[in-house]
Amino acid sequence: QVQLQESGPGLVKPSETLSLTCTVSGDSVSSGSFYWGWIRQPPGKGLEWIGYIYYSGSTNYNPSLKSRVTISVDTSKNQFSLKLISVTAADTAVYFCARVLVGAAQIDYWGQGTLVTVSS
Amino acid sequence: QSVLTQPPSASGTPGQRVTISCSGSNSNIGSNYVYWYQQFPGTAPKLLIYRNNQRPSGVPDRISGSKSGTSTSLAISGLRSEDEADYYCATWDDSLSGPVFGGGTKLTVL
Repeated sequence: QVQLQESGPGLVKPSETLSLTCTVSGDSVSSGSFYWGWIRQPPGKGLEWIGYIYYSGSTNYNPSLKSRVTISVDTSKNQFSLKLISVTAADTAVYFCARVLVGAAQIDYWGQGTLVTVSS
Repeated sequence: QSVLTQPPSASGTPGQRVTISCSGSNSNIGSNYVYWYQQFPGTAPKLLIYRNNQRPSGVPDRISGSKSGTSTSLAISGLRSEDEADYYCATWDDSLSGPVFGGGTKLTVL
């Protein structure tokens, strides 16, 4: 059974960097069939795609966040990570990590989600 | 502003049939498979429909999806109280080289 688990601080100060890690079990981040992605959901709002990474290290980011986002992968730990710099209150959201079928919007495994609040 | 357009809300009474629409463009829905997700408060979304009209194991056949051109819809027949949730359409966007979501539709069972 594939499982994804987000981890990281639940509170980040404005202008600082949000850092989250997703630990994968039951599958390998080196799998060529999937992207490993991040999606967020502000309180009471809809889903927003942040970006994804492929096992080769290639990435793709939402244009609205591209200048602030970095997604990386650590195959030795079977993890992938998200960094979002210069955060503001608008970045307060539940952040989900997910396994995405290559070339499709098919996400059959999600992390449980972690709430990150940006506040001083 | 979401790339895909959904109505913010929908409602029906138990036993009724409800449809939720989702519209996009040639670069997304028009040229790629569509997916639908169901989300209950405080939980991660769950895949409900894949490849336009396929149901994952465990999803009842009273739930169906269809696509025509740059639009898609989700239909739920025999509405039940447990169907009350948020529903999101999603697809790949060739221009963005990534997934895009609709803004979500809150389904209320009256």
